[in-house]
Amino acid sequence: AQSVAQPEDQVNVAEGNPLTVKCTYSVSGNPYLFWYVQYPNRGLQFLLKYITGDNLVKGSYGFEAEFNKSQTSFHLKKPSALVSDSALYFCAVRDIGTGANNLFFGTGTRLTVIP
Amino acid sequence: GAGVSQSPRYKVAKRGQDVALRCDPISGHVSLFWYQQALGQGPEFLTYFQNEAQLDKSGLPSDRFFAERPEGSVSTLKIQRTQQEDSAVYLCASASSGSNTQYFGPGTRLTVL
Repeated sequence: AQSVAQPEDQVNVAEGNPLTVKCTYSVSGNPYLFWYVQYPNRGLQFLLKYITGDNLVKGSYGFEAEFNKSQTSFHLKKPSALVSDSALYFCAVRDIGTGANNLFFGTGTRLTVIP
Repeated sequence: GAGVSQSPRYKVAKRGQDVALRCDPISGHVSLFWYQQALGQGPEFLTYFQNEAQLDKSGLPSDRFFAERPEGSVSTLKIQRTQQEDSAVYLCASASSGSNTQYFGPGTRLTVL
């Protein structure tokens, strides 16, 4: 069965500092990996995805993530955090091995960027 | 362009009432998904449509939950005899043919009293 772990419920970072939001996954086959961001009273907004190819993927708003197959991780990063990055971040996986089309989500990490 | 829209945005129901939640996907998107997001949790899959065909309903928690997409566009999630544990945000997402990226609507927050 597939699973996604976001080990940190809360991440605090000072504005201008680099940020990392961690994600590890478990799937039976090859994973498709995604990051979404959720602002209050709004739906999930797509940030980036890894399907195949280059392990470093770049997405919206300066975010990037690195797929590490040996560590089964897909950590979200940004070189310089903005106060406006403060939100709830979700990692998700689609388990290609099961043939399912749906996403399986982690429990989310709340990022707070301190001015 | 227009994104995924959902209505109503907020719904309060008394226990035992039936509710219907609507999703308008992005125009032309063939795939449509429903997810349930409980407070403080990540979204959990409910059901999946490809055009009008419901290909996966493995996530529906009970036979009180029913979804349809009769013309392959708008979808309705119906919950019969609502219970307090049904209180959650219900998210709809759509994807274009051949795409792995799901685009989400703002959700409907259901509160069952």
